[in-house]
Amino acid sequence: QKEVEQDPGPLSVPEGAIVSLNCTYSNSAFQYFMWYRQYSRKGPELLMYTYSSGNKEDGRFTAQVDKSSKYISLFIRDSQPSDSATYLCAMKDRNTGGFKTIFGAGTRLFVKA
Amino acid sequence: DTGVSQDPRHKITKRGQNVTFRCDPISEHNRLYWYRQTLGQGPEFLTYFQNEAQLEKSRLLSDRFSAERPKGSFSTLEIQRTEQGDSAMYLCASSLALRGSDNEQFFGPGTRLTVL
Repeated sequence: QKEVEQDPGPLSVPEGAIVSLNCTYSNSAFQYFMWYRQYSRKGPELLMYTYSSGNKEDGRFTAQVDKSSKYISLFIRDSQPSDSATYLCAMKDRNTGGFKTIFGAGTRLFVKA
Repeated sequence: DTGVSQDPRHKITKRGQNVTFRCDPISEHNRLYWYRQTLGQGPEFLTYFQNEAQLEKSRLLSDRFSAERPKGSFSTLEIQRTEQGDSAMYLCASSLALRGSDNEQFFGPGTRLTVL
């Protein structure tokens, strides 16, 4: 079993829809949770960075962390065609000094105009 | 451009050849990371440097792989006797770590390696 599980999709939605992306994990030591966006043939770009449980909002993006369920989510409101990309969840264990980031496999999102 | 840069962007080589990739991190960043990403997967951690010291290596990093960061600035990743299974995107990232805690990692565009 992988430490981080993420549905690879693809997920196809119409423009303006609310998108929900999710990851589950097994390591209870994870304390830092990130979402990256990766366009084709590019490196990952950090979207959201959260510590422990709770919600964090940034513009059209909201990240949620539920440590009791080992479940994290990213919501995208008013989705745009430019949001079409692969979204990677990622996590870090503070006990390792924060250097080792474990990524999910990524969910491919297509937003249709 | 003050982001992370990688060179070359693409490399095609024959099995058995050696290849070397370069990464230039963001200038004030003291940590540098190498990841490998295959199609349909997320990046997998290979190794990281704190300044010039290589502090951790994944078991994914076989003896054919070696990484250096000689002056704590740019880094090189060398693969000797390449195999077809080495075909992947090799990503470099850098971060600024203060007092043992890590900040966000900024990724470069990657080097795509194809081994024929």
